[in-house]
Amino acid sequence: GAVVSQHPSRVICKSGTSVKIECRSLDFQATTMFWYRQFPKQSLMLMATSNEGSKATYEQGVEKDKFLINHASLTLSTLTVTSAHPEDSSFYICSASVGSESSYNSPLHFGNGTRLTVT
Amino acid sequence: GENVEQHPSTLSVQEGDSAVIKCTYSDSASNYFPWYKQELGKGPQLIIDIRSNVGEKKDQRIAVTLNKTAKHFSLHITETQPEDSAVYFCAARRPRGGSNYKLTFGKGTLLTVNP
Repeated sequence: GAVVSQHPSRVICKSGTSVKIECRSLDFQATTMFWYRQFPKQSLMLMATSNEGSKATYEQGVEKDKFLINHASLTLSTLTVTSAHPEDSSFYICSASVGSESSYNSPLHFGNGTRLTVT
Repeated sequence: GENVEQHPSTLSVQEGDSAVIKCTYSDSASNYFPWYKQELGKGPQLIIDIRSNVGEKKDQRIAVTLNKTAKHFSLHITETQPEDSAVYFCAARRPRGGSNYKLTFGKGTLLTVNP
């Protein structure tokens, strides 16, 4: 159980275009999902917290107009990289917790990531 | 905010030996400490976690210990196998409902198990 599916696994796009990444919780409902960015040989950097039915909370330094997050259902959150540039090339990973707000410290499960390359 | 330090950054062991990775955290309010294994090109996979009301937890060849007073926790892998080779991340998190309810990760440890 607790499977998080992320799509696509790899995407190559041209500079100036937008790319949408989907994150789905397959066998559980997730009121909160998290989006991370990871550079080669580095740790995971939290970009934003995605809350179902409300606006995402962005970490300091993350442009909310560039990284659009939508969490329209309890099983789907999307990250759209708008007007992508080569410096946006990275590994993007989503994660979700099992359970609702009343759950106490439920584990966080990760998707398999999306390798974005902007040419 | 929370700061998690992880050591060593790289660790090389012979197959069958034990591997130990250590982490320290700064926020005494943190009460949940998971460990993740990340293979190349994949997302992190939760391998074990421990909560602050427990001092040790074991799952087959993997164990985690927690010292709340010293604010450090460690991952122990016994009888290592080549398939254990990966990057391991520790993390810490405050209780849900409070501020900063998010995982703070260490910088990772590249474990190489040599056959």
